Amino acid sequence: EAQVTQNPRYLITVTGKKLTVTCSQNMNHEYMSWYRQDPGLGLRQIYYSMNVEVTDKGDVPEGYKVSRKEKRNFPLILESPSPNQTSLYFCASSLTPGTDTYEQYFGPGTRLTVT
Amino acid sequence: SQQGEEDPQALSIQEGENATMNCSYKTSINNLQWYRQNSGRGLVHLILIRSNEREKHSGRLRVTLDTSKKSSSLLITASRAADTASYFCATDRHGSRLTFGEGTQLTVNP
Repeated sequence: EAQVTQNPRYLITVTGKKLTVTCSQNMNHEYMSWYRQDPGLGLRQIYYSMNVEVTDKGDVPEGYKVSRKEKRNFPLILESPSPNQTSLYFCASSLTPGTDTYEQYFGPGTRLTVT
Repeated sequence: SQQGEEDPQALSIQEGENATMNCSYKTSINNLQWYRQNSGRGLVHLILIRSNEREKHSGRLRVTLDTSKKSSSLLITASRAADTASYFCATDRHGSRLTFGEGTQLTVNP
């Protein structure tokens, strides 16, 4: 089954404790992206990757890091989480943007609470 | 800033009625996509319309695009309670990434 998986699905942590949210896709997609969703603000892109070893900042990259060492994985790293990073996080993947059809496939979401 | 803005923010209708949601954007685009999100879950792609297309259909969905007005509309005909969800438009500006609007919350009452 074609899917994007994220782990963990729920996480409560404390300020300053480094954490990683994993994302994996099994569709051989070149493009992967991380979003955060907050009430009244819609989805905002954090980072995206056009292919292995190629990553770029989205609209709200501060406080986040990513890496793309393998095509299927795109982990999101919070080196020193703060309460304003409490949010619902989504990973997504697709074929390369600009191709004819590149609908994004979304993971189920990770609800992060930083206290 | 958000590229796409949906209107209205919330819409409540009765089952069987049609639901229309609008999306406006600011800069030229390659294509525009509509997604659906059930509460707290991942978004699901509904339909993509290219900048050189004016109308597209998929089942009960009809999407229009007016590039001169920088706007799009999503029409859901004969709505069902199961259509209750948030609907987002997303624009591809430079062929490198999508920018999502804030969404329209649709409630279909049985």
